[in-house]
Amino acid sequence: AQKVTQTQTSISVMEKTTVTMDCVYETQDSSYFLFWYKQTASGEIVFLIRQDSYKKENATVGHYSLNFQKPKSSIGLIITATQIEDSAVYFCAMRERASSSFSKLVFGQGTSLSVVP
Amino acid sequence: NAGVIQTPRHKVTGKGQEATLWCEPISGHSAVFWYRQTIVQGLEFLTYFRNQAPIDDSGMPKERFSAQMPNQSHSTLKIQSTQPQDSAVYLCASSLAYEQYFGPGTRLTVL
Repeated sequence: AQKVTQTQTSISVMEKTTVTMDCVYETQDSSYFLFWYKQTASGEIVFLIRQDSYKKENATVGHYSLNFQKPKSSIGLIITATQIEDSAVYFCAMRERASSSFSKLVFGQGTSLSVVP
Repeated sequence: NAGVIQTPRHKVTGKGQEATLWCEPISGHSAVFWYRQTIVQGLEFLTYFRNQAPIDDSGMPKERFSAQMPNQSHSTLKIQSTQPQDSAVYLCASSLAYEQYFGPGTRLTVL
C-alpha cells in the first residue's frame, strides 16, 4: 500500500526567504506521480506542482520547485522568495501510474506554513 | 472555467437523517473523485468514476455511503442514516490527465 509522510507539522519563516518542506513516500509501484497541493485558510485546495517518477529533472513552476531524491523516496517542496500569501497548509500526495490513466491520491498529513513580515 | 462546483457548501443534519452532496466537475474532465477531510484522519479517498463508470470505491464505508454519476456533469454522494462520526468536509475533484482539481468542499455536520 502507498503511504506518504510529512513529519514537519508547522514551519514559520520570514517573508522573502526560502523554505523547504519535507515529504517521504512508500510505494511498491515502479512508476508513479508525486504532487504538492496547498490548502488556504478558506479551505480551498490548489494544485501546485507535479513530479513524474521516471523523470530525473526536478520540476519547477514559478517560485515552487521540487527536490526529488528517488533512492530516498523523498520529494521536498522548495518555495523561494516567500510571500505572506504563501501562508497555508501544504500537502504532499502521490498516485500510481495506473494503466487506466487515473487513480486515487494518497495524501500526507500536511505542513502548516506561516510566513511572517 | 468555473472550476469544480460543490453544493451545498454547508449541511447540518440530525443523527439518522440522510445527506446528499452534489458535485459538478470541470467540463471535459473524464474522472471524478470523492475525498473526505477530518482533523483526525486527514484527507481520505472515498471513490472515483471515469467516464461516469464507478472504478474504485475502496475508500467508501460499506454501509450507508453510496455514490453515483448519472451524467458527465454531476456526481452525488449520499449518506444514509448519518452519524456524528460522518461529520467532515467532503471534497470532490475532477481530472483530465495527471492532476486533480478540487472543489471548495461541503462541510457536513451531524448533530
